[in-house]
Amino acid sequence: GENVGLHLPTLSVQEGDNSIINCAYSNSASDYFIWYKQESGKGPQFIIDIRSNMDKRQGQRVTVLLNKTVKHLSLQIAATQPGDSAVYFCAENMTPGNQFYFGTGTSLTVIP
Amino acid sequence: EADIYQTPRYLVIGTGKKITLECSQTMGHDKMYWYQQDPGMELHLIHYSYGVNSTEKGDLSSESTVSRIRTEHFPLTLESARPSHTSQYLCASSDMSGKLFFGSGTQLSVL
Repeated sequence: GENVGLHLPTLSVQEGDNSIINCAYSNSASDYFIWYKQESGKGPQFIIDIRSNMDKRQGQRVTVLLNKTVKHLSLQIAATQPGDSAVYFCAENMTPGNQFYFGTGTSLTVIP
Repeated sequence: EADIYQTPRYLVIGTGKKITLECSQTMGHDKMYWYQQDPGMELHLIHYSYGVNSTEKGDLSSESTVSRIRTEHFPLTLESARPSHTSQYLCASSDMSGKLFFGSGTQLSVL
């Protein structure tokens, strides 16, 4: 599969601070990216997606940034809450509907 | 909210047993997938289907098999379970945009 990897396996932040989770991908032909959140004992849950014709997309408290020049993806979580504690995965796909390749997750811990 | 269901949630069995992990979705999605995930690790695609009577092997070699007789149902079978099969198995389906929706997973332990 394609090499989709995260820079940091763990991240700890204080409640209320902003979190930034990074992801590197290797396939320059990938044109669709998704961030997933996985809580302990559960399946991954969709957070936000972005297509390669965009460099930024915002959701509720989350922002995804895409830098195609350096093949880098980041997830920003504003005002991090204890409920945000989970493992976060980025996934890439060359065209919508084909297989996704997942990187090793980053474990986010929010300190109250 | 995705409507994709996996059973059983947890399964502990002995070596050599035949097992079937169930996955059903009520969203009418044509594409369905099985991923294998070890604790804290990435997801590896083991099987996928683009519709009824379509099944393909994924990137990770697996001794399991799948079938797709109905759109909503995509069961995974292990003919003879071994301890190396101990893992979490996640089923997913995707809509027309390509977005994946996951079930809660089956945690399999083979003794």
